[in-house]
Amino acid sequence: DIHMTQSPSTLSASVGDRVTITCRASQSISNRLAWYQQKPGRAPKLLIYKASTLESGVPSRFSGSGSGAEFTLTISSLQPDDLATYYCQQYNTYWAFGQGTKVEIK
Amino acid sequence: EVQLVQSGAEVKKPGESLRISCKASGYSFTSYWINWVRQMPGKGLEWMGRIDPGDSYTNYSPSFQGHVTISADKSITTAYLQWTSLKASDSAIYYCARPGSPYDSSAYPDYWGQGTLVTVSS
Repeated sequence: DIHMTQSPSTLSASVGDRVTITCRASQSISNRLAWYQQKPGRAPKLLIYKASTLESGVPSRFSGSGSGAEFTLTISSLQPDDLATYYCQQYNTYWAFGQGTKVEIK
Repeated sequence: EVQLVQSGAEVKKPGESLRISCKASGYSFTSYWINWVRQMPGKGLEWMGRIDPGDSYTNYSPSFQGHVTISADKSITTAYLQWTSLKASDSAIYYCARPGSPYDSSAYPDYWGQGTLVTVSS
């Protein structure tokens, strides 16, 4: 099984800050990685796929990078609406999700 | 319009059986796998398993193999997740989700159901 590890588990930042979340896979997954945003009571929302491709309609302040086993999600200028939990997901072999990063606004 | 509409919330007692559903519409049901994902209260997302509705072939995560059964009825474009004997630890929200490509069974999910809350309590 491929195991995904995200860090940090929680982060607190101010509006306008640049925020970075890291995701590591237990083995290489090429670029078969997606990022999701989940708000309470809602299904996950796709932000990025193929490690760096922005889903249609997602604000350009979100970006993704990486390949192989190490990936990052960056929010260039944190907005109040970005309060949520973010998950990475590998889809190279079945599916596996990171444990999530809760983003709080200071 | 692609839609995955899940059955409503359930409250069950330990030891009871349960089947929840995921009704698909707006696309060729037999062309895309359906996956199930668990989210325990306040916790993260866990992949449980998947089914190819065309031939009902299934794959399960080792963590869920033997504890749940995934099935599908292509005549009514519906996938199911079933338990024969629920435990309190099965209390969670369960999502169905569809990969974004009919040619890639593991593709990232582009459509999700709204989730079904299952509460197991004596």
